[in-house]
Formats: sequence, structure tokens, C-alpha cells
Amino acid sequence: DTGVSQNPRHKITKRGQNVTFRCDPISEHNRLYWYRQTLGQGPEFLTYFQNEAQLEKSRLLSDRFSAERPKGSFSTLEIQRTEQGDSAMYLCASSLKGPEAFFGQGTRLTVV
Amino acid sequence: KNQVEQSPQSLIILEGKNCTLQCNYTVSPFSNLRWYKQDTGRGPVSLTIMTFSENTKSNGRYTATLDADTKQSSLHITASQLSDSASYICVVSATGTASKLTFGTGTRLQVTL
Repeated sequence: DTGVSQNPRHKITKRGQNVTFRCDPISEHNRLYWYRQTLGQGPEFLTYFQNEAQLEKSRLLSDRFSAERPKGSFSTLEIQRTEQGDSAMYLCASSLKGPEAFFGQGTRLTVV
Repeated sequence: KNQVEQSPQSLIILEGKNCTLQCNYTVSPFSNLRWYKQDTGRGPVSLTIMTFSENTKSNGRYTATLDADTKQSSLHITASQLSDSASYICVVSATGTASKLTFGTGTRLQVTL
């Protein structure tokens, strides 16, 4: 296990289409986070899982966004009816008990 | 409102020179402060983590300082290399909110020949 893995690395989609991203955290990391980052900005928190439980969701996570972590391992982030404003880098991070959070390489979404 | 502000917004230095990046925060109650390096198009990579009781922490040519009284941190890069060109993001965590980190917008560093 070399780190947090995100797929795909890049996704181009037409406005109105649905997209799904996957995050595989570091093995045994019980905490998983999703962030969104636009150009020139720091990451913004979207949602947080501890094991399979989604404990917190940001107001940024509109009804079109849904995240799951069904077995407490990998997680998926789905965006329905994509809009151009959804274009961003979607980052996943995982951690165990301490403050260290390890980030994946991100999925770059472009909505055209 | 919890905020993290970084300065400068961008910086260009010559290879081999030193530089210092600044971070001011208003996150409360403070738990820890982290510096991340983010290459373009990639995820952030942790450089240092400091808790309330730590004043300084080094990671190779990177040295971070923390003044919890003034709520300021700095990241000093010694003998810069071309590979140091990246965004450096200051991230502060509040106690009791394991789920949320407050990110700065980063300092974009470019090291040139």
C-alpha cells in the first residue's frame, strides 16, 4: 500500500451528466475526507467518514452530491447533473487516529 | 469564523537562496498546524505538523515555526532547489473537530535559475 489512491485522475464530462469518483484510502485508516479545490484556492471540506459512517457534510455538498463508504474501506463521490461550476480538483484524504492526513493525487473534473 | 491567511501570495527566488513563508490564523481552539507542499495538479504532501507546545520542527531543508500566542507560523526553506517550486499550504485544525481543517490559499513559490 503506497498511499491514498484516487480514480480516475482526470474526467471530462458534458454538462448534465453524472460522474463518480473513487478513493481507496491507506489500509486501516478509519477516517476519510473529501475536499474540493479550485484553481488558486486551498482545498474546501466536503465530507468526512469515520469507518462507514458519514459524520459530517459541508453546506458545499448540494443535493447533487452524494458520498458513500459502504464497507468502511473505499469511498465514492458522485455528482449528478454536473454543472460547469463543478469543475475542480476533488481530493480525498485518509487518516488514522493522529492529526496526520494523507492526500491522494486528486481527480481533476472538467465540465464542458 | 476560523481563518488562515498566508503571505506572500506568490514568490520567485533564485536557486540556492532561502525564503520564508508566513501563515496567520484565527482558528480556535487550536489543535495543530500543518504545512503541506502541493505540486501543480497533484495532491498536497505533508511537510510538518506542530501542536500547541511545539515552537519549531524541521524536515530536511524545511523548518516550520509556531508562535501560538500571536497565532503565527512560518515555513523557512533553506538552499532552495528547482524542485521546491510548488504551492505551500498552511492548514490549521481546531480541537474537537476531527473532520474539519481550515486551509490557507497557499503561497505559490517559483525557484528559478
